[in-house]
Amino acid sequence: AQKITQTQPGMFVQEKEAVTLDCTYDTSDQSYGLFWYKQPSSGEMIFLIYQGSYDEQNATEGRYSLNFQKARKSANLVISASQLGDSAMYFCAMRDRASKIIFGSGTRLSIRP
Amino acid sequence: DTGVSQDPRHKITKRGQNVTFRCDPISEHNRLYWYRQTLGQGPEFLTYFQNEAQLEKSRLLSDRFSAERPKGSFSTLEIQRTEQGDSAMYLCASSLGGENRGGNEQFFGPGTRLTVL
Repeated sequence: AQKITQTQPGMFVQEKEAVTLDCTYDTSDQSYGLFWYKQPSSGEMIFLIYQGSYDEQNATEGRYSLNFQKARKSANLVISASQLGDSAMYFCAMRDRASKIIFGSGTRLSIRP
Repeated sequence: DTGVSQDPRHKITKRGQNVTFRCDPISEHNRLYWYRQTLGQGPEFLTYFQNEAQLEKSRLLSDRFSAERPKGSFSTLEIQRTEQGDSAMYLCASSLGGENRGGNEQFFGPGTRLTVL
């Protein structure tokens, strides 16, 4: 069965530092996609970044990059130069071949000024 | 506003009553998803549509739950005989579909928060 694991329930980071949020996944599919979403306290889910299983290069979107290590089945999110507005819940998610989406339990990131 | 919209934003109901939620996806998106999110947890997949066809349903979607997308545009999620355990945020998302990044990006609505008393 597909599964997403986020082992960090909460993290505190100093403003302007880089932060890595961990995500591992389990699937027997060869074709899948990995996502990261941000959910601020207001509740909306904001798409951050996507990585396809056949993409050879790590995805990047502005200050966000996805460290994709296929053999280890990990898809960590790296946020460079963190900002106070980055404080939120972050969810890793996976789409399988049948387009079903599975989310992890999330990591609450708090940025200290 | 051209994003995903959901109605109502909040619903309070008594146990045993039926409730119906509506989702209007982004107009050119052919895929529509329903999720349920309880406090402190990630969203849980419920079901999804490709145009008007319901292609997959989670085991979480008991026979009290039904979803429709009759014309391939808006969708409704109905919960019959609500229970206190149904209290949650119900999220709708839409996407273009397809294998590339743009096709897979799901845009979420603001959600409907259901409270069952």
